[in-house]
Amino acid sequence: DAGITQSPRHKVTETGTPVTLRCHQTENHRYMYWYRQDPGHGLRLIHYSYGVKDTDKGEVSDGYSVSRSKTEDFLLTLESATSSQTSVYFCAISESDRNRVAFFGQGTRLTVV
Amino acid sequence: AQKITQTQPGMFVQEKEAVTLDCTYDTSDQSYGLFWYKQPSSGEMIFLIYQGSYDEQNATEGRYSLNFQKARKSANLVISASQLGDSAMYFCAMVPKWGGSYIPTFGRGTSLIVHP
Repeated sequence: DAGITQSPRHKVTETGTPVTLRCHQTENHRYMYWYRQDPGHGLRLIHYSYGVKDTDKGEVSDGYSVSRSKTEDFLLTLESATSSQTSVYFCAISESDRNRVAFFGQGTRLTVV
Repeated sequence: AQKITQTQPGMFVQEKEAVTLDCTYDTSDQSYGLFWYKQPSSGEMIFLIYQGSYDEQNATEGRYSLNFQKARKSANLVISASQLGDSAMYFCAMVPKWGGSYIPTFGRGTSLIVHP
């Protein structure tokens, strides 16, 4: 199994508070991704990273920011959480020398009340 | 831009029978990879099978096979001899194989229920 750890696994937070989700990998993969999963929408890309300090927006990036100061860590921050950000968040990693298969963390279930 | 379409929101199959989950894709890339993932009720995303666009043979992994028809842009997952533990959501995905974006694009998924 790919070494990907997401923390926390579950979180309940109040509207308007900042929240940071962490993704930690031990595979030394270059590419890291944050997706959100909502019923009927599948997996939608929030942000991704193609190297340390190299990040870019995905299709649903509004209200989210990311940082990657080390190869192994990719942080997702909800700057001011809203109820529409209640979702399951997945981190994934990939590398070009493995057919670019994306391997996933266990997911974080976030509830904004 | 890439797009993955899974037209079956839900599928039912009898235990021990085979089932096909549909996936069609759209891309302007000449070289790409296609993947299937399983998401059981516990929530984790499990990689099942990979098919390269230039692979001459359809991929197989145990009871999973990928029916790849490049001209039709389809990459259907076939599960043989279904088991109760196959009940899950299944996602089709693709990624360009060379250059360009490394970002995987996912379909909306198909829910499979295996009946005893």
